[in-house]
Amino acid sequence: EAGVTQSPTHLIKTRGQQATLRCSPISGHTSVYWYQQALGLGLQFLLWYDEGEERNRGNFPPRFSGRQFPNYSSELNVNALELEDPALYLCASSEGGANTQYFGPGTRLTVL
Amino acid sequence: GQQVMQIPQYQHVQEGEDFTTYCNSSTTLSNIQWYKQRPGGHPVFLIQLVKSGEVKKQKRLTFQFGEAKKNSSLHITATQTTDVGTYFCAGWASNYQLIWGAGTKLIIKP
Repeated sequence: EAGVTQSPTHLIKTRGQQATLRCSPISGHTSVYWYQQALGLGLQFLLWYDEGEERNRGNFPPRFSGRQFPNYSSELNVNALELEDPALYLCASSEGGANTQYFGPGTRLTVL
Repeated sequence: GQQVMQIPQYQHVQEGEDFTTYCNSSTTLSNIQWYKQRPGGHPVFLIQLVKSGEVKKQKRLTFQFGEAKKNSSLHITATQTTDVGTYFCAGWASNYQLIWGAGTKLIIKP
């Protein structure tokens, strides 16, 4: 069974640009979570989508947004990139609710 | 707001010594999960505890969930080099919010 996949692996942008990150959950999983992990730090919760709806949002500005598609894949958009945004962005999927989360390998975002 | 405090931030041990990390929540949790992140990798699920006072073992790893469902611990007996990484706890609060600890980094002294 394929795991959670994320693309791209690495993304290099300049300040002020927009970044789009993609995530495909494990087949059968309806929930997708997005996290930001700055270098050497813990996981900061960004967004939770389930069945196409945003269920919860972390303490991030509105320029962090996303959506979940009918096939349960998800997209994270970061607008107006700032120098504080470089991090590993991790996506996780679960069967929904308080279930085990399975993480993808992440997208490493660099902002020049 | 709701938070989970995880201590210590780092623990340096000699190979063969024991390791323990603790999580304390400001709110009652419906369950708690533990994850391990190897250097350069992504978090991988280890275990989930649901019941008050629950204790689970996985080989050299022992996980506990407190009676009040507000605290949890992970204990590793006789650490090995393969145990190196950062251990995270994550607790589900009753409002379906998942709260993550900051992680404890296990470092094996050379």
